[in-house]
Amino acid sequence: GEDVEQSLFLSVREGDSSVINCTYTDSSSTYLYWYKQEPGAGLQLLTYIFSNMDMKQDQRLTVLLNKKDKHLSLRIADTQTGDSAIYFCAEFHTGRRALTFGSGTRLQVQP
Amino acid sequence: GAGVSQSPSNKVTEKGKDVELRCDPISGHTALYWYRQRLGQGLEFLIYFQGNSAPDKSGLPSDRFSAERTGESVSTLTIQRTQQEDSAVYLCASGPGLAVETQYFGPGTRLLVL
Repeated sequence: GEDVEQSLFLSVREGDSSVINCTYTDSSSTYLYWYKQEPGAGLQLLTYIFSNMDMKQDQRLTVLLNKKDKHLSLRIADTQTGDSAIYFCAEFHTGRRALTFGSGTRLQVQP
Repeated sequence: GAGVSQSPSNKVTEKGKDVELRCDPISGHTALYWYRQRLGQGLEFLIYFQGNSAPDKSGLPSDRFSAERTGESVSTLTIQRTQQEDSAVYLCASGPGLAVETQYFGPGTRLLVL
């Protein structure tokens, strides 16, 4: 079956790095995504990684994928108060076309 | 250009009434998705449209839910005889229909069934 799991909450201090973790069960996933949702707003695509990659870096964001353990992480360097939001990981497999989302991790950045 | 838009932004209805939610995708996007997000939870897939192909309705929770799409433009999600458990944010997303299915989300319609 398909299941995507995330921890519910993470609190960090401004300037520190944040690491948000995600595990998934479907080994046929082809792409994995990170979305950000701010209060009252829609989902914003942050980044995605193809399943044959180990790492992808985009400015302050680093995505690490351990395909063997089906573990995905999002590292945010120099976390700012504006990074406070809910972060969703999602997997995509071409057979279904729809994304399967985790329940989201609420990141709280303390000044 | 404009992003995905949805209307209404908020809808309050009484149990048993029908509601219709609208999504305007990004122009040129052939793929359109509807998701439901209950309070404090992740997104549940409802239905997927791709061009003129038959829609994937595998996520619709009951026969009270239906959706239509006119060509590659507007889509409406209809919920008949609404129940309190239908209260949620309904999100629409569109995408270019490519192998890397990047989905762009609208702001959602917040539905409250009293």
